[in-house]
Amino acid sequence: NAGVTQTPKFRILKIGQSMTLQCTQDMNHNYMYWYRQDPGMGLKLIYYSVGAGITDKGEVPNGYNVSRSTTEDFPLRLELAAPSQTSVYFCASSDQLGTTNEQFFGPGTRLTVL
Amino acid sequence: GNSVTQMEGPVTLSEEAFLTINCTYTATGYPSLFWYVQYPGEGLQLLLKATKADDKGSNKGFEATYRKETTSFHLEKGSVQVSDSAVYFCALIPSDYKLSFGAGTTVTVRA
Repeated sequence: NAGVTQTPKFRILKIGQSMTLQCTQDMNHNYMYWYRQDPGMGLKLIYYSVGAGITDKGEVPNGYNVSRSTTEDFPLRLELAAPSQTSVYFCASSDQLGTTNEQFFGPGTRLTVL
Repeated sequence: GNSVTQMEGPVTLSEEAFLTINCTYTATGYPSLFWYVQYPGEGLQLLLKATKADDKGSNKGFEATYRKETTSFHLEKGSVQVSDSAVYFCALIPSDYKLSFGAGTTVTVRA
């Protein structure tokens, strides 16, 4: 199993540009998550999904959109990039939504908006 | 709301030293508690977890005990190695299932 994979690893955007961060998991997990990690801060939840076709907002959803058309894929879309979106983005998945369930993380995408 | 507060770093130690990283939390209900580790250039990996009060999680020589009375989940290792150099995150999953992370503690172990 590859686990959770993310592309690209690095990206530089200009203000106002758009892009999609890709996330794929091969563990047949129903639950998937997007987080951002800012320097000196913990991870903050952007969006999450409990299954194909179902998504919901997390703590910091503004400026982002998501879709979940398949179990495997959970792309994150930035429509109008802003410097405040410079961060490291992590995708994660879990097989259940219970309080005891481990989330598996991808290697991250480092995004810089100039 | 739910929150996690962990010891600020960076922490620099010599090999074979004792490591403690403090973590306290605020949550409603009965959350599960986790320690995740992030090695340089990699994503987060689960290090250990505890799902109820007085549980002790352990892995790779690291231990943490879920203390409900002090709302704490401190991470300890008796003898660190250079390979333990990483960023360590304390986290909780409360009843709404949304994982909350602490800010992370960078640990550097020197040979």
